[in-house]
Amino acid sequence: EAQVTQNPRYLITVTGKKLTVTCSQNMNHEYMSWYRQDPGLGLRQIYYSMNVEVTDKGDVPEGYKVSRKEKRNFPLILESPSPNQTSLYFCASSGGAVWNEQFFGPGTRLTVL
Amino acid sequence: QQQVKQSPQSLIVQKGGIPIINCAYENTAFDYFPWYQQFPGKGPALLIAIRPDVSEKKEGRFTISFNKSAKQFSLHIMDSQPGDSATYFCAAISGQFYFGTGTSLTVIP
Repeated sequence: EAQVTQNPRYLITVTGKKLTVTCSQNMNHEYMSWYRQDPGLGLRQIYYSMNVEVTDKGDVPEGYKVSRKEKRNFPLILESPSPNQTSLYFCASSGGAVWNEQFFGPGTRLTVL
Repeated sequence: QQQVKQSPQSLIVQKGGIPIINCAYENTAFDYFPWYQQFPGKGPALLIAIRPDVSEKKEGRFTISFNKSAKQFSLHIMDSQPGDSATYFCAAISGQFYFGTGTSLTVIP
C-alpha cells in the first residue's frame, strides 16, 4: 500500500529535550515536506526537499532541522524544543509527473511542556 | 503574512445545499491551485486541483472556479452530503506550498 508513515503519532516532551520525528514514504517520491498545523493558521510549510541531499526552508523553519540522506526518509529534528512548537505535524511527499499533488502522513501531535 | 487568504472560517449548510469556499492570492508566480479535504484525526487528502490557464474544473460533485484577473478561486460542492463534513484547505504552489487557513464545513442531514 502506497503511504507516508510518521512516528511517533503522539509525543509529550519537556522544553530543551532533543527529539526526532521520523517520516518515511514507499512511493519513490522525490519531493518531501514537513508542515505544522495550528488552529486559525492552517498548514505552514517548515522545510521541504526536492531530492536526496537537497533541502530548503519553508515558511516557518526556525527551531527545526531536517536531513535527506535517503530518498524514502525525511526526519524532522527539534534540537531544543520550546512550548511554541506544540503543534500537529504532517509529513508529505510527491513525485513523478504530478510532483505537486502531495500525499500526507497521518500526523504527529507534539506537546512541549 | 498569509500568502493565500481563505474564507469563510466555518460554514454550515443543509444536505443538498451548495457550500462555496473562497480563496485569494497575490503572487502571480503561483502555477497550481489544489484543494485538500481533511477529516478529524487524518492528514489532508487532495480533492481537486486547477492550473491558472483553466477557468473551471469539475470532478464529480466538486467544482473549482478560477478567476485569474481577480486572483481568486473557489470550491463549490454540489448536492452536499453529511459525509462532506470536513475541513477544506485551498493552496497555491510555486515550488513551495502555501495553504489557506482552512474552512470547517458542516452539512446537516
